[in-house]
Amino acid sequence: EVQLLESGGGLVQPGGSLRLSCAATGFTFGSYAMTWVRQAPGRGLEWVSVISGSGGYTNYADSVKGRFTISRDNSKNTLYLQMNSLRAEDTAVYYCAKDAVGHGHWGQGTLVTVSS
Amino acid sequence: QSVLTQPPSVSGAPGQKVTISCTGSSSDIGAGHDVHWYKQLPGTAPKLLIHGDTNRPMGVPDRFSVSKSGTSASLAITGLQAEDEADYYCQSYDSSLSTYVFGTGTKVTVL
Repeated sequence: EVQLLESGGGLVQPGGSLRLSCAATGFTFGSYAMTWVRQAPGRGLEWVSVISGSGGYTNYADSVKGRFTISRDNSKNTLYLQMNSLRAEDTAVYYCAKDAVGHGHWGQGTLVTVSS
Repeated sequence: QSVLTQPPSVSGAPGQKVTISCTGSSSDIGAGHDVHWYKQLPGTAPKLLIHGDTNRPMGVPDRFSVSKSGTSASLAITGLQAEDEADYYCQSYDSSLSTYVFGTGTKVTVL
């Protein structure tokens, strides 16, 4: 059974940093692209970033480009999102999802709150 | 960042049919990229409803069907049931930006 478990969310001040993790089990992690999607309170889904199975390809939404870095450790079956220069508008539940698109498996989400 | 446009809400009585539109552009749906659909209940992660334009994952009833034309796609729910009350999102790929995009989301209310 595929399982994705995010962690690392919390309260951070504007301008601060946070690193999210997504531990994956139940599939050959390194064979699949992975995606981060976020959802601000009361708002819709926003695609954030994608990484290829090998980690050699990454891409970002304009809203986070230059501030967020997606990475993965295939030996640990773990996906990461390093978030720097955080802004109030980054406040959201962050989900990791299997595959680049057509996500059949999602984590439960981790809440990031950017506030002073 | 481009987004796909959906109506904020649609509603229908039990047993009726509702349709959710997803309007994009020539660089996403209009470019022939697949459209995927998700259902999200409050406080939970989205669930894949339709992938690769027309494919329903196991367990998704055939009351859910999709169509696509030009720069738009639609999700139809027939025989509306109380359990269909949720938020629905479309998703596609924008080849001009090389990014994936979600629709703005539609709340389905069962009257």
